[in-house]
Amino acid sequence: DTGVSQDPRHKITKRGQNVTFRCDPISEHNRLYWYRQTLGQGPEFLTYFQNEAQLEKSRLLSDRFSAERPKGSFSTLEIQRTEQGDSAMYLCASSFGQGYEKLFFGSGTQLSVL
Amino acid sequence: GESVGLHLPTLSVQEGDNSIINCAYSNSASDYFIWYKQESGKGPQFIIDIRSNMDKRQGQRVTVLLNKTVKHLSLQIAATQPGDSAVYFCAEFSSGNTPLVFGKGTRLSVIA
Repeated sequence: DTGVSQDPRHKITKRGQNVTFRCDPISEHNRLYWYRQTLGQGPEFLTYFQNEAQLEKSRLLSDRFSAERPKGSFSTLEIQRTEQGDSAMYLCASSFGQGYEKLFFGSGTQLSVL
Repeated sequence: GESVGLHLPTLSVQEGDNSIINCAYSNSASDYFIWYKQESGKGPQFIIDIRSNMDKRQGQRVTVLLNKTVKHLSLQIAATQPGDSAVYFCAEFSSGNTPLVFGKGTRLSVIA
């Protein structure tokens, strides 16, 4: 399967700890997106990259969140000093093109902050 | 603010019947729409898309209708099967450089 891959699938952490998630997009895709989803809600945009450039961040994104895509391939999302409100499913998606393309999603990383 | 929304949070249908899932959008600048299916524990899966220069598009057992006049989108699933049980989201792009915006979703339950 050469779809979008996310690791880990589940993460349980204590409040105040830092966590990092990884996303491997479909290999030829130049755009990579991070979304967050809470129970009963639709995915909420966090940030996206075109190749290695981070083009947009949600205004709702706390400074504790940072994302990188150093070589234009895989991406990492780090959350520092986690809070209980950070508990959610973190979804990664990728697409190919310059916009207006369908996004392909991974299975997500489920974060639980205790 | 402008957002994508859905008329019904839940929908139950008998196996074999047709399903219609509705979506209202309020951003008149949106010109590309996608329907996603999400099963429990999985990421959203692409079903079908439609651009604003079309009012209907058909796929395998699915049809999307777009009414730009009333800013309404619908997903029709023919001969609904138990495997269609999931949450369905409509999502919109308002331009190529803005992120895809999702609505809250409709849960479809298929009764065998």
